[in-house]
Amino acid sequence: DSGVTQTPKHLITATGQRVTLRCSPRSGDLSVYWYQQSLDQGLQFLIQYYNGEERAKGNILERFSAQQFPDLHSELNLSSLELGDSALYFCASSVNSGGYEQYFGPGTRLTVT
Amino acid sequence: GESVGLHLPTLSVQEGDNSIINCAYSNSASDYFIWYKQESGKGPQFIIDIRSNMDKRQGQRVTVLLNKTVKHLSLQIAATQPGDSAVYFCAENTNTGNQFYFGTGTSLTVIP
Repeated sequence: DSGVTQTPKHLITATGQRVTLRCSPRSGDLSVYWYQQSLDQGLQFLIQYYNGEERAKGNILERFSAQQFPDLHSELNLSSLELGDSALYFCASSVNSGGYEQYFGPGTRLTVT
Repeated sequence: GESVGLHLPTLSVQEGDNSIINCAYSNSASDYFIWYKQESGKGPQFIIDIRSNMDKRQGQRVTVLLNKTVKHLSLQIAATQPGDSAVYFCAENTNTGNQFYFGTGTSLTVIP
């Protein structure tokens, strides 16, 4: 158990809908990272927050957004969902902002039908 | 974009043998590398890391080797056990925007 929690574990929704994925980092970790893992793309970095502020942005679509709250939990919002958004979404956390020693949560499996 | 690739998508080894998983990276400016293990149905798990000012780093049963000349990274697992069966990813940090780039992964199967 990494200490990072993600909810929900599974999510099934229809195209065009909007969903919110939630992540709670390990106690004491200030950074949260979001990743998308699909069969044909591998692990893709989406975005990082550090202590409430956006720190780095990767291959995140404009339809996706994220935020980190004062209690350090983070939410990833996915809107106007398409079939191709079906994937595993992982959250990771680390103590510092440099990305070192990231601890991953169990993931949320999103299925868009 | 960055390119981190793995030489072999699958690897099968006998229990007790040593395993070597390879990874090539393209950005010579990358200064930090990580190996992750991902078991079926779970998130990636940190195994070991290495900074670019090092050539070798050892952990418990694992060793990471970094060859900056040819931009190659390898993970050696000693006395491979069935519990080592998983997908192994290397990740590269360019230290520009704190982005990590992951390879597609190598699936390691340990044969009892």
